[in-house]
Amino acid sequence: DTEVTQTPKHLVMGMTNKKSLKCEQHMGHRAMYWYKQKAKKPPELMFVYSYEKLSINESVPSRFSPECPNSSLLNLHLHALQPEDSALYLCASSAITSTGSGYTFGSGTRLTVV
Amino acid sequence: QKEVEQNSGPLSVPEGAIASLNCTYSDRGSQSFFWYRQYSGKSPELIMFIYSNGDKEDGRFTAQLNKASQYVSLLIRDSQPSDSATYLCAVRVASYDKVIFGPGTSLSVIP
Repeated sequence: DTEVTQTPKHLVMGMTNKKSLKCEQHMGHRAMYWYKQKAKKPPELMFVYSYEKLSINESVPSRFSPECPNSSLLNLHLHALQPEDSALYLCASSAITSTGSGYTFGSGTRLTVV
Repeated sequence: QKEVEQNSGPLSVPEGAIASLNCTYSDRGSQSFFWYRQYSGKSPELIMFIYSNGDKEDGRFTAQLNKASQYVSLLIRDSQPSDSATYLCAVRVASYDKVIFGPGTSLSVIP
């Protein structure tokens, strides 16, 4: 299994809603990531988990709350989002090596906040 | 100063030609460099990974790294219309152990 699976593929939510994005991989990767990508922009790092521990938080607003329940799963909990948070949310995973290794990205969740 | 820079393009090449994509980075301690291809509406896909100075070839793709000049490039030989996409250069920033993406170069291969 060489895939990263993200659900849902599309999500429309109101500014008062609570929702969660899910990500799963079975490649044995011990690093997992959340990226946000706006149209015609590169992916922008949000969070990094290494060995199920949060290692990097790129000063993301608290209305985004990540969770890594185990080595295969990564969640992003959303609450009280703003319309400007509408974007493609990408999950990725990688092996942890001394030289770094490439990411495998999921297909993303396209989020619209109304 | 932006950490990873690329020509935004669009870069247009005729089918069968060589496409040359360039990337510069600011962190001298960076060790690992990646090229991703992203089709419109899709997620990025890793196509090349390089960490030693020199060239690395994989099929029609060649990545070139010059750490002294802080420069990495991607050559695509015998370009095909299916190569039309945005190419993202990514650099592992040593000081923060994270990967930063450049703005991407849009490539269009004209049949």
